[in-house]
Amino acid sequence: KQEVTQIPAALSVPEGENLVLNCSFTDSAIYNLQWFRQDPGKGLTSLLLIQSSQREQTSGRLNASLDKSSGRSTLYIAASQPGDSATYLCAVRPGAQKLVFGQGTRLTINP
Amino acid sequence: KAGVTQTPRYLIKTRGQQVTLSCSPISGHRSVSWYQQTPGQGLQFLFEYFSETQRNKGNFPGRFSGRQFSNSRSEMNVSTLELGDSALYLCASSWMLGEASYNEQFFGPGTRLTVL
Repeated sequence: KQEVTQIPAALSVPEGENLVLNCSFTDSAIYNLQWFRQDPGKGLTSLLLIQSSQREQTSGRLNASLDKSSGRSTLYIAASQPGDSATYLCAVRPGAQKLVFGQGTRLTINP
Repeated sequence: KAGVTQTPRYLIKTRGQQVTLSCSPISGHRSVSWYQQTPGQGLQFLFEYFSETQRNKGNFPGRFSGRQFSNSRSEMNVSTLELGDSALYLCASSWMLGEASYNEQFFGPGTRLTVL
């Protein structure tokens, strides 16, 4: 059974810092991995999708990496801003149309 | 292009009642998935529909059901509501290429269900 873990559960940093969020999964047989952000009481916003054959994806200040063999992904946020404050969720697709989610990292950027 | 829409956004029901939630996917997307989000369990997969057929189902009791229409819109129904069904119900759509999907899932804003 695929399990996804995100560490840390919460993170608070001052504005302007670069930071890394971690995601690990137990089964390397995945189609892809997707990072989302969720603002309080809202739905999920897709940030980056990495296919199983890829090593990383970039969008603006965000960079996500994938190491399937070790079951790890990282989300790197450069030059953090208060607007980046949200919960960040990692999800893997082990097959079919099902996503398996981690519990998320609650990120707070302090002005 | 409009995003995934869900209605209603908020619902308050009492135990024993039933509820129907609606999801309209992004235009052109034929796959619709449903997830339940609670503080304790996080995000859990309910089921997925493609071309009006349920293709995958999570570990939820039979009180949770769904369907998809020919225009790809989907509904989910929960019968005999329990207090534990209080949650944010999220719908996601994706564009399918054949049987396999390597595509992003796009989520709607969710329906917040409160069971009293």
